[in-house]
Amino acid sequence: AQSVTQLDSQVPVFEEAPVELRCNYSSSVSVYLFWYVQYPNQGLQLLLKYLSGSTLVESINGFEAEFNKSQTSFHLRKPSVHISDTAEYFCAVSEGNTDKLIFGTGTRLQVFP
Amino acid sequence: DTGVSQDPRHKITKRGQNVTFRCDPISEHNRLYWYRQTLGQGPEFLTYFQNEAQLEKSRLLSDRFSAERPKGSFSTLEIQRTEQGDSAMYLCASSLEGASDEQYFGPGTRLTVT
Repeated sequence: AQSVTQLDSQVPVFEEAPVELRCNYSSSVSVYLFWYVQYPNQGLQLLLKYLSGSTLVESINGFEAEFNKSQTSFHLRKPSVHISDTAEYFCAVSEGNTDKLIFGTGTRLQVFP
Repeated sequence: DTGVSQDPRHKITKRGQNVTFRCDPISEHNRLYWYRQTLGQGPEFLTYFQNEAQLEKSRLLSDRFSAERPKGSFSTLEIQRTEQGDSAMYLCASSLEGASDEQYFGPGTRLTVT
């Protein structure tokens, strides 16, 4: 069965510092990988996704994630965070033959001035 | 189109009562999903539809839960004989089709069972 592990429930960081949010998954088949973000009092929004091809994917607001098949990881990184990046970040996986998303428990990123 | 909408946004009910939630997906989207999110957890898959056909149900969906999408447009999720453990945020999402497509989420319905 698929599962997603987000190792850090909270990540506090100062503005302009780099950040990495970790995500590991388990699956016996090929998968699609997603990062969703939930800003305070808002719904979930897709941040970026990996389907196939280049293992490094980027979002429009400076985040990137790298698919590592051997380590079954899809860590999210940003070289310099802003206060506005404060949010809950969810890693999710879906197998190629099913539509449902399996989510991790989320990582709360708190950016301090 | 303004995205996925859900109604009501909040519902407080007494244990044992029935509740029904509505989800209106993005109009051209064929797939519609229901998830449940409890405090401190990520969303958990409940069920999904391809047009009006319900294709998969999670074992989380006990016989007290039922979902419909009668005309392939909006969907309803009904919980009968609510229990305190049903208190959660119920999320609806829609996508064009296919596991690779982005799922667009609604704002959710927060259910509190007293």
